[in-house]
Amino acid sequence: GQNIDQPTEMTATEGAIVQINCTYQTSGFNGLFWYQQHAGEAPTFLSYNVLDGLEEKGRFSSFLSRSKGYSYLLLKELQMKDSASYLCAVKDSNYQLIWGAGTKLIIKP
Amino acid sequence: GAVVSQHPSRVICKSGTSVKIECRSLDFQATTMFWYRQFPKQSLMLMATSNEGSKATYEQGVEKDKFLINHASLTLSTLTVTSAHPEDSSFYICSARGAREVEQYFGPGTRLTVT
Repeated sequence: GQNIDQPTEMTATEGAIVQINCTYQTSGFNGLFWYQQHAGEAPTFLSYNVLDGLEEKGRFSSFLSRSKGYSYLLLKELQMKDSASYLCAVKDSNYQLIWGAGTKLIIKP
Repeated sequence: GAVVSQHPSRVICKSGTSVKIECRSLDFQATTMFWYRQFPKQSLMLMATSNEGSKATYEQGVEKDKFLINHASLTLSTLTVTSAHPEDSSFYICSARGAREVEQYFGPGTRLTVT
């Protein structure tokens, strides 16, 4: 079957750095997405990786290793507003998005 | 970025009634639209995928006669929850994707409460 694993919850301190990992086993691979979702709101797009390596976008970076079926989202200079759930999703061979359950990130002052 | 709207944002209805939720792409043509459901503290669950002008493809376990999807134009898709029951109470989110686009753009979601 298809599976996306990410930690259920993480806690970090304001101003620090946090890395949220995602491992996947899917039938085919056509890209990996990270989305941010605040409570009671719809997800918003953060990043897209289709080739191995690191994609940097401001305070957020996303890394992909296709051979390892692994990605991480790195958040730097954490702010209180970064408290949210972070969803990892993989597009499979049918171009269907397979969603992880999300990682709830709690930022403490 | 592209904008997707959903209406209504919140709806409360009585058990046995039907509710229609609209999803519109405001500044692009959405060849494909997706409908998701999300229960509290759970991940998104894809309900169905619809391409403009054709019948929606429903995920396993989703009743197509209960959740009617219409994607009649390149900017509008509707989800009708027929004969709603309290267990249908959830957060319903649509997303849209244009032709040759990678990213899905999400609407703000509709919170449905069935009493």
